[in-house]
Amino acid sequence: GQQVMQIPQYQHVQEGEDFTTYCNSSTTLSNIQWYKQRPGGHPVFLIQLVKSGEVKKQKRLTFQFGEAKKNSSLHITATQTTDVGTYFCAGTNAGKSTFGDGTTLTVKP
Amino acid sequence: DVKVTQSSRYLVKRTGEKVFLECVQDMDHENMFWYRQDPGLGLRLIYFSYDVKMKEKGDIPEGYSVSREKKERFSLILESASTNQTSMYLCASTITRAQPQHFGDGTRLSIL
Repeated sequence: GQQVMQIPQYQHVQEGEDFTTYCNSSTTLSNIQWYKQRPGGHPVFLIQLVKSGEVKKQKRLTFQFGEAKKNSSLHITATQTTDVGTYFCAGTNAGKSTFGDGTTLTVKP
Repeated sequence: DVKVTQSSRYLVKRTGEKVFLECVQDMDHENMFWYRQDPGLGLRLIYFSYDVKMKEKGDIPEGYSVSREKKERFSLILESASTNQTSMYLCASTITRAQPQHFGDGTRLSIL
């Protein structure tokens, strides 16, 4: 079945440092979605990428979809304490979405 | 704004009990999902439903069943609760399979 691998599992950074999480699929995806889950909260949708090579930005967050539509990344520039949480990717193939295991980000002030 | 409501935030039950977790969405979404979330294991799909009275097994359906009698409501049933079913349970809904999912606040279930 479809597998979505996400790395790293945990990342601890100093406030102001950059952060990147990577998502890799075993199959070609029709789209990829990114979610953020704050501690004690539920996953909240951030963005969806559909096109090969697509890049989207939300303030300090940059999302990329690979040319082969099998990988994606989320990059946060100059992290803030408000960025803490777990970031999940979810890849869609043949109408089915599969979540990665998430990357948990902690930020030291 | 989409609202997905799970009936309980916290629930404590005993081993062997039949447990019902309820989820209601208010946006007429066709698709509803039940996940469990455990530390280090991400979100694991238990069951999903693409229409009323329709259900399909996810990746970890053993020990669970579901019911979708009405479009807005999707229930997860633990037939005979066991301690390894202690977890956070998340319900989600989406308008089409490829669209983003909207999650409820989750139910933290403890089986003693």
